[in-house]
Amino acid sequence: AQSVAQPEDQVNVAEGNPLTVKCTYSVSGNPYLFWYVQYPNRGLQFLLKYITGDNLVKGSYGFEAEFNKSQTSFHLKKPSALVSDSALYFCAYSGTALIFGKGTTLSVSS
Amino acid sequence: NAGVTQTPKFQVLKTGQSMTLQCAQDMNHEYMSWYRQDPGMGLRLIHYSVGAGITDQGEVPNGYNVSRSTTEDFPLRLLSAAPSQTSVYFCASSYSAAGEYGYTFGSGTRLTVV
Repeated sequence: AQSVAQPEDQVNVAEGNPLTVKCTYSVSGNPYLFWYVQYPNRGLQFLLKYITGDNLVKGSYGFEAEFNKSQTSFHLKKPSALVSDSALYFCAYSGTALIFGKGTTLSVSS
Repeated sequence: NAGVTQTPKFQVLKTGQSMTLQCAQDMNHEYMSWYRQDPGMGLRLIHYSVGAGITDQGEVPNGYNVSRSTTEDFPLRLLSAAPSQTSVYFCASSYSAAGEYGYTFGSGTRLTVV
C-alpha cells in the first residue's frame, strides 16, 4: 500500500540550530509530496511541495525539503530554528487524495 | 477571499444524534475532501469528491455520509453519532486531486460526542 511515514513523533532542537523533520515515502511512479504545518488550535498551513524538477524545494518561513528518489525520502529542513517554528508538521503525498503521515511535533527551545 | 469555510467551529452531540458539518469553498475547486484528526493518528481521509455529483470513500468512511450537489458545497453527515467520532474535522479543496496548485484547508470543526 502507498504511504508516507514520519519516523519521529517528536523532534527537539535548540533555537539557532539546524532542524530536520524526516519523511519517507512508499509511492509508485512520480510522487507529488507536500509538507504542512499546524500551529496549536489552528488549521493546516501549506509549507512546500515537490511536483517535478529540482530536488531541492524552497518553501515558506525559510523551510526547504530535498526529494531523494534513491532513499525515498523528503526530509524537511531549516538552517536555523526559531522558537516560533514549534508546531506539528505533516508530510503528505497526493494520488486520488492527499494522504498524510502521522505527524511530527517540533519543539524549539530558547 | 473566504477560501474554505467550515461551520460550526464547535459542536457537542449526544450519542445517537445526527448532524451535518458544513463545508463551502468559493474558489471553484472541483476537488473537495473531508478529514478527521485524532492525536497520534495524523489526518485520515473520510470521503472525497472530484466534482459535483461524484463522491468516493476514503480511509475511514464508516458512520459518515456525503453528497456533492454543487461545486461549492460538500457537507459531511453523521447519521448516528458515536463517542468514537469525537475528533477535529477538516475540509479541504483543490483544483485537482493531485494538488499541483495546492490544497486549501478550512479552520476545522471540533466535535465532541458524549
